[in-house]
Amino acid sequence: EADIYQTPRYLVIGTGKKITLECSQTMGHDKMYWYQQDPGMELHLIHYSYGVNSTEKGDLSSESTVSRIRTEHFPLTLESARPSHTSQYLCASSESFGKSVTDTQYFGPGTRLTVL
Amino acid sequence: GQQLNQSPQSMFIQEGEDVSMNCTSSSIFNTWLWYKQDPGEGPVLLIALYKAGELTSNGRLTAQFGITRKDSFLNISASIPSDVGIYFCAGQQVGSSNTGKLIFGQGTTLQVKP
Repeated sequence: EADIYQTPRYLVIGTGKKITLECSQTMGHDKMYWYQQDPGMELHLIHYSYGVNSTEKGDLSSESTVSRIRTEHFPLTLESARPSHTSQYLCASSESFGKSVTDTQYFGPGTRLTVL
Repeated sequence: GQQLNQSPQSMFIQEGEDVSMNCTSSSIFNTWLWYKQDPGEGPVLLIALYKAGELTSNGRLTAQFGITRKDSFLNISASIPSDVGIYFCAGQQVGSSNTGKLIFGQGTTLQVKP
C-alpha cells in the first residue's frame, strides 16, 4: 500500500486565481511526478523531480510550476488559473533500487480541478 | 514521442467471462506495469514485470512481459462487477531508469454486466 496524499481532492475556482495543489509521500521516495489527465484519457507527465532541489519539465508543456524543498513534499502551483487548466492532476512517487531494477510509480488519489 | 499502443480501447463483457488486453511498443522496454483506475481516483498498481518472458499472477490477474521486450498482456479470469474501471499499461524505456519516467498506454475501459 502506497502512502501518497493529495489535497485538495476537489477544487472549483475562478479564472485568474493562484492555486497550489499539495502532494506528500511518507515512503521516503526520491523521485516524484505530476501528471495531467482528462477524464478517461491517458496520463501526461508535466513535471518530475529526481530529489530535493531538482525539478524538470515533463513531456506535456504546462503553465504550472513545481518545487521540491523537502523529500516528502512536491507542490504544484498555477499562478493564474484558466478554464483550459481544468483537469485531473495526479501525483506519483518512486524509489530507485539500483541500476539493475527499475522504478515502480505509486499514485496519489488525484485532485480534480475546475476553473470557471 | 514514444507511444504505447494499448488495445482494445474498451470492452463490455458478461460477468464470469475472461478478459485479455495488451500493449505494444516499437522500442524495447525494461519494465512493464499494469494499473487500474477507478473514476475520480488515482491509478493503483496491479502487476509489475521486470524481466523478458516473466509471467506474474495477482489473484485472478495474470500479466506477461513479452519475450521481445516490446509488448505485454494482462488477463483477467472470471470477471466480476468490481473489475470495472480503466486499465493502463505503462512501460519504462531502456535508458530511462535514472529518471524513472514511464510511458502510458491510452487505457482499456472495462465494463462488466452482472
